[in-house]
Amino acid sequence: GAGVSQSPSNKVTEKGKDVELRCDPISGHTALYWYRQSLGQGLEFLIYFQGNSAPDKSGLPSDRFSAERTGGSVSTLTIQRTQQEDSAVYLCASSPQTGNNSPLHFGNGTRLTVT
Amino acid sequence: KNQVEQSPQSLIILEGKNCTLQCNYTVSPFSNLRWYKQDTGRGPVSLTIMTFSENTKSNGRYTATLDADTKQSSLHITASQLSDSASYICVVSGGGGSYIPTFGRGTSLIVHP
Repeated sequence: GAGVSQSPSNKVTEKGKDVELRCDPISGHTALYWYRQSLGQGLEFLIYFQGNSAPDKSGLPSDRFSAERTGGSVSTLTIQRTQQEDSAVYLCASSPQTGNNSPLHFGNGTRLTVT
Repeated sequence: KNQVEQSPQSLIILEGKNCTLQCNYTVSPFSNLRWYKQDTGRGPVSLTIMTFSENTKSNGRYTATLDADTKQSSLHITASQLSDSASYICVVSGGGGSYIPTFGRGTSLIVHP
């Protein structure tokens, strides 16, 4: 079946502009994660959605970052007033969340470049 | 604080050789440990999962070990191939109702012909 789909695959934006990144998880997966990966760095947790529960936003680096998950499926990560340090690959992952033993299924990410 | 440390940071080997990657963690309580492979420009893909009671698990040429007492894991790659060139990430999930796994920074492996 289809995996996790992210769009766009690449995004170049000017400093100060807002951007929206989209994630289509695997159908039926209740858990959805957003991560950020800067060049040569590990994955940095941003936000976690599980079903209809309130999201865990503890990883969001500033109030310029926000995310929504509509209808328990598609998620959008929004970055307002982008800064150059926001340049990174943004990865989305979903999981059936039948327990901690379920793997995360990652998309191929959106590479964001802020000029 | 939950942490996952990996070594070496990077590794270069010749095709056909074996190598071992290391992972130390301080995540507590412990639920499981996964090794992911991340090819350049792609998202990570799970290779193996180790739970508390498992010491060794193989997936083709990949063999993972876990010592839950010392909180160490290793990933051994046998007879390396050019396609093994990737970043290998150790990820530890805790118990106690937490569903946010802790990621290591990865080991970058380059296999030369």
